[in-house]
Amino acid sequence: KAGVTQTPRYLIKTRGQQVTLSCSPISGHRSVSWYQQTPGQGLQFLFEYFSETQRNKGNFPGRFSGRQFSNSRSEMNVSTLELGDSALYLCASRPGLSTDTQYFGPGTRLTVL
Amino acid sequence: EDQVTQSPEALRLQEGESSSLNCSYTVSGLRGLFWYRQDPGKGPEFLFTLYSAGEEKEKERLKATLTKKESFLHITAPKPEDSATYLCAVQADFGNEKLTFGTGTRLTIIP
Repeated sequence: KAGVTQTPRYLIKTRGQQVTLSCSPISGHRSVSWYQQTPGQGLQFLFEYFSETQRNKGNFPGRFSGRQFSNSRSEMNVSTLELGDSALYLCASRPGLSTDTQYFGPGTRLTVL
Repeated sequence: EDQVTQSPEALRLQEGESSSLNCSYTVSGLRGLFWYRQDPGKGPEFLFTLYSAGEEKEKERLKATLTKKESFLHITAPKPEDSATYLCAVQADFGNEKLTFGTGTRLTIIP
């Protein structure tokens, strides 16, 4: 079974631009979570989607948003990019809400210049 | 607020030299504790889930244990391919089901 896939793997943007990252969960998984990983803060939770609905949200500004499609694929969007948004963005999926273990994708490395 | 502290930050071992990594946690109610391994430039790879104090799980040279305040990842006779950053995370038993991660232990096994 294929793992979690994320596209693109690398991205370079400039301040003020916006960016959209994509995540395809493991086949059959309906929950998708997003995390930001930086050297200083480690992994921090952004949000979780299940059945196209956002269930939980972390402590990030409104510039960070996401959505989930009917096929469980998810996208996250960051508007008005700041230098501090440079990070590895990780997507994780799990089969459903009764299953705790999350499986991570390889991440998208975003660099903001 | 849930908190996870991992120690040491970095650990260098000779091949075959066994040791333990520590994960101390504070959570209102523990639903699960997770161990992941992360190689440079890659996403975290799932290792173990522990649910209750006294539980132990093993996989090859790794064994994870859990108490009410901390978890240990024991590495027996490590090999160079065990070099990675090991991450610990907790999930609370109600409310937000997010994972709260520690900052990890960077393990280097010297041949």
